[in-house]
Amino acid sequence: GAVVSQHPSWVICKSGTSVKIECRSLDFQATTMFWYRQFPKQSLMLMATSNEGSKATYEQGVEKDKFLINHASLTLSTLTVTSAHPEDSSFYICSVNPGQGNYGYTFGSGTRLTVV
Amino acid sequence: QKEVEQDPGPLSVPEGAIVSLNCTYSNSAFQYFMWYRQYSRKGPELLMYTYSSGNKEDGRFTAQVDKSSKYISLFIRDSQPSDSATYLCAMINFGNEKLTFGTGTRLTIIP
Repeated sequence: GAVVSQHPSWVICKSGTSVKIECRSLDFQATTMFWYRQFPKQSLMLMATSNEGSKATYEQGVEKDKFLINHASLTLSTLTVTSAHPEDSSFYICSVNPGQGNYGYTFGSGTRLTVV
Repeated sequence: QKEVEQDPGPLSVPEGAIVSLNCTYSNSAFQYFMWYRQYSRKGPELLMYTYSSGNKEDGRFTAQVDKSSKYISLFIRDSQPSDSATYLCAMINFGNEKLTFGTGTRLTIIP
């Protein structure tokens, strides 16, 4: 399956600042990546679908101006949490669609964001 | 009613036992079924990926899909303490890119 690298694995930031999380597809070109959010002891919640060269598609209830997604190349998608607040503290995970009829999506190792 | 139902557990079994994890679903359009294992503070790891009804085996893991009952299972043989994790079922229908997840089952293998 695809190899996905996510960075950083954890980050602490002050309230009001912005944080950028990177998701890289290491061994193939990904036209589509997905960003999830996971609260403790809960399942993954899809935030948005990142499309290479075009705007991301956000799920209902997700603020696109707060969670900026950029998919400028076939191997890199970034999620920027802008003006972070303590309630944005969560575990953020990216996923890659292998494409070509393969639905065995691969996930990054996740980023734990703590806003203080 | 959620599209995918999964017992959150927790489930504790002794080492060496056979573990059975299950999910039910309501959307008959789902055609691809996955099982992921997630360790604490890590991203989900793909264990099994199956298409339509039937069984698929990979080492100690067997995935089973019964589309007529809208029921999928993951069996773990000779369970090990290292199998202790949260197991998530996921499914998708052809043409749709978004996975639908179960809530996950927390499994503990007791040495």
